Formats: sequence, structure tokens, C-alpha cells
Amino acid sequence: DVKVTQSSRYLVKRTGEKVFLECVQDMDHENMFWYRQDPGLGLRLIYFSYDVKMKEKGDIPEGYSVSREKKERFSLILESASTNQTSMYLCASRIQGLNEKLFFGSGTQLSVL
Amino acid sequence: GENVEQHPSTLSVQEGDSAVIKCTYSDSASNYFPWYKQELGKRPQLIIDIRSNVGEKKDQRIAVTLNKTAKHFSLHITETQPEDSAVYFCAASKRNSNYQLIWGAGTKLIIKP
Repeated sequence: DVKVTQSSRYLVKRTGEKVFLECVQDMDHENMFWYRQDPGLGLRLIYFSYDVKMKEKGDIPEGYSVSREKKERFSLILESASTNQTSMYLCASRIQGLNEKLFFGSGTQLSVL
Repeated sequence: GENVEQHPSTLSVQEGDSAVIKCTYSDSASNYFPWYKQELGKRPQLIIDIRSNVGEKKDQRIAVTLNKTAKHFSLHITETQPEDSAVYFCAASKRNSNYQLIWGAGTKLIIKP
């Protein structure tokens, strides 16, 4: 089965710190996504990448950037963490194509103090 | 803008009874409607999906129905069991994008013993 691994399950950072969230998938998927999950708001797309070195903004990209230098790895960067970025972050991947199944990572619960 | 509304936000049913979760979408061009289940502390996983060329799909105790005219689709779970307790998310494909889904806010399903 597809494995999507997020580097940290829990992370605590200070306001203003630069934060890196890493995601690695092992099934050679072209598409990768970063979502933010907050109670009552569902899943909101931050950024996605349809292939290596490609990236597109999602619905809430402000305060975030991403990097996809290798096909298996998609990194989310918080340039200067703020308290309103405290949230659960979910990475997902899927093969290229219309309406394909998403495979999610276990999530990173980030707390910004 | 494009959105997906999901109701109810919380649903409590007696074990053995049926549960129905409803979603309404705004974009008439949406053609793919997946449902994801997220158990407490775990990653979301696809449980069933439906495409716009069919009206109903079943998989054991789970079924999804689609009414394109009314732009709504529903998840039906029969003979509910304790392991059905989870948060369920509906989603709809986004116009002019083969990468993105628009997500409902989620329904917390509680199965009472």
C-alpha cells in the first residue's frame, strides 16, 4: 500500500520561527498536496504540486511556501510562524490524472506559541 | 465562489440504525464526489466515491447517491457499528482543475452502544 510519511507528529514552535514540515511518499506519485485541517472548517488546500519543481497556490497560501526538488518529497515552509498557524497539517499524494484517490499522511499537529 | 456544504456537523445514532450525511455543491461542472473517513487520531481514507454519470453506488453497508439536478449527494451507512464512529468528509471536484477538490466541513458520526 502507499505510504505517505510526515516527519513529525507533534511540533511546538515559537512565533517568528521558520518552520519546515516534510512529507515523503514512496509510490512515485506525481501530485502532492498540503492541507490544513481546523475543526468546523474541513480541509483547506494550502499548496499543491503536480510534478517535480512545479507548485501552485491553493485556497490559503498566505504565510506559506513549498518546495518540491525531488518527486517523493514535498516540503511546507512557514516563513515566520504565527499563532494563527496553529493547526493540523496533512500531506497527501496521488497519481496523475482526473479524480484519483488521495493518500494522506498521518498529519502534523503544529502549535505556535 | 465554489463551495460544498455538509450536514449535519454531528450525528448520533444507535448502533444498528442507519446514518445519512448530506452534501450540497455549488458548481454544476463538478463531476467527481468522494467520501473520506477519518477515525480519531488517524489519517483520512477514501471509503467510496461516485462520478456524475451514475446516480448510486454501493459497497457493502455503505452507499452514495447523487442528484445532479439538485446538486446534492449523500452518504448512507446501514446497520451501523462502533467502528463507524469517525469524522466523514465529502468533497466535489473543482471546475477546470484536475488537481483540486472542494471539501465539506465534516460530520462527526457517533455510534451509541
